[in-house]
Amino acid sequence: KNQVEQSPQSLIILEGKNCTLQCNYTVSPFSNLRWYKQDTGRGPVSLTIMTFSENTKSNGRYTATLDADTKQSSLHITASQLSDSASYICGLGSNYQLIWGAGTKLIIKP
Amino acid sequence: SQTIHQWPATLVQPVGSPLSLECTVEGTSNPNLYWYRQAAGRGLQLLFYSVGIGQISSEVPQNLSASRPQDRQFILSSKKLLLSDSGFYLCAWSAHLYSGNTIYFGEGSWLTVV
Repeated sequence: KNQVEQSPQSLIILEGKNCTLQCNYTVSPFSNLRWYKQDTGRGPVSLTIMTFSENTKSNGRYTATLDADTKQSSLHITASQLSDSASYICGLGSNYQLIWGAGTKLIIKP
Repeated sequence: SQTIHQWPATLVQPVGSPLSLECTVEGTSNPNLYWYRQAAGRGLQLLFYSVGIGQISSEVPQNLSASRPQDRQFILSSKKLLLSDSGFYLCAWSAHLYSGNTIYFGEGSWLTVV
């Protein structure tokens, strides 16, 4: 069964610290992996899209990595800011569908 | 640049009443359009997608329907709402279906059925 699992469900860190969010998947075959940021009550906004042949992609302080062998992806946030407080959603695209994880809720405390 | 508008942002409807959520995309032509529902603690659930005017594909059986009367307009409807229809609804668009293109989401509509 195609699944996308994100961990942790929620995370609280202090402003300025780094953090890493995980996305494990069983989707096969897959063509792309996406990370989105969703502020509370708003629509998700794209952070990165990687194809299965890419290992890493950055967008400012956000860096996504992909290990297709272990079927894992991570989103690393550097020098967190209060505005990083949001849910982060991982999505796997295969030929005919997109499968989304339940997201990780990140809270940045001052 | 392309923009997506979705409305209303919030609505409270009684059980058995009709529903109409509207979404329009600007700045692009022939977009692929999507309606998603997002429940707390769960992933985005695709409800409908459309590759062109009048072409609607349903992903899950439900109390809802969708229509695309114009190229950049997508409407989510119900004749009689159920309590279970409550949730956060998102309209989205992409240039191509299921490819590596970015999916752009609207701001969402909170629906509470009472």
